[in-house]
Amino acid sequence: QKEVEQNSGPLSVPEGAIASLNCTYSDRGSQSFFWYRQYSGKSPELIMSIYSNGDKEDGRFTAQLNKASQYVSLLIRDSQPSDSATYLCAVNRDYGGSQGNLIFGKGTKLSVKP
Amino acid sequence: DAGITQSPRYKITETGRQVTLMCHQTWSHSYMFWYRQDLGHGLRLIYYSAAADITDKGEVPDGYVVSRSKTENFPLTLESATRSQTSVYFCASTGGLGYEQYFGPGTRLTVT
Repeated sequence: QKEVEQNSGPLSVPEGAIASLNCTYSDRGSQSFFWYRQYSGKSPELIMSIYSNGDKEDGRFTAQLNKASQYVSLLIRDSQPSDSATYLCAVNRDYGGSQGNLIFGKGTKLSVKP
Repeated sequence: DAGITQSPRYKITETGRQVTLMCHQTWSHSYMFWYRQDLGHGLRLIYYSAAADITDKGEVPDGYVVSRSKTENFPLTLESATRSQTSVYFCASTGGLGYEQYFGPGTRLTVT
């Protein structure tokens, strides 16, 4: 069973701190990795994608990928109360004709306290 | 640019009735997906489509039927709704080489 694992949280951080969200995956052949943000009652919104080992920065967000350890993380610097949401990690399936499919983790709920 | 839309946004139906959820995208994306999201289960793939007239089962296809006669539309039909199909349903699409999926706003379905 191909899986994506995340700590369900809730992860609580004070405003202005760095929030660190982690994700592990089981499919060694996966090549595409994504972080989605989902506010309560809303649909998932793509915030970061990463395809190569290392770090990728976009504003206050940094995605980190370590394929050898099968580990993806998302750092949110200067966390704001508006960052309070559930963050979903997603990884592409790597078999047959299903490369377009993603496997989603169950999400980590982040709470940023003012 | 409307992107990806779903209708209806909210639906209440009775057990045994047929229900169709609509999904429409304006990007001409080749791949489209239907997910359901339930507490404790996360997002689960119901069906997906790689192109018009090409569909395939996902993780939880039982009780659902899909069709895709046009690239932009991907309706999901519950042939005989059951209470266990009460959920939030999301449609998504992707057309990029990196497989980024973009989600519609969702349909909240309640089966009584």
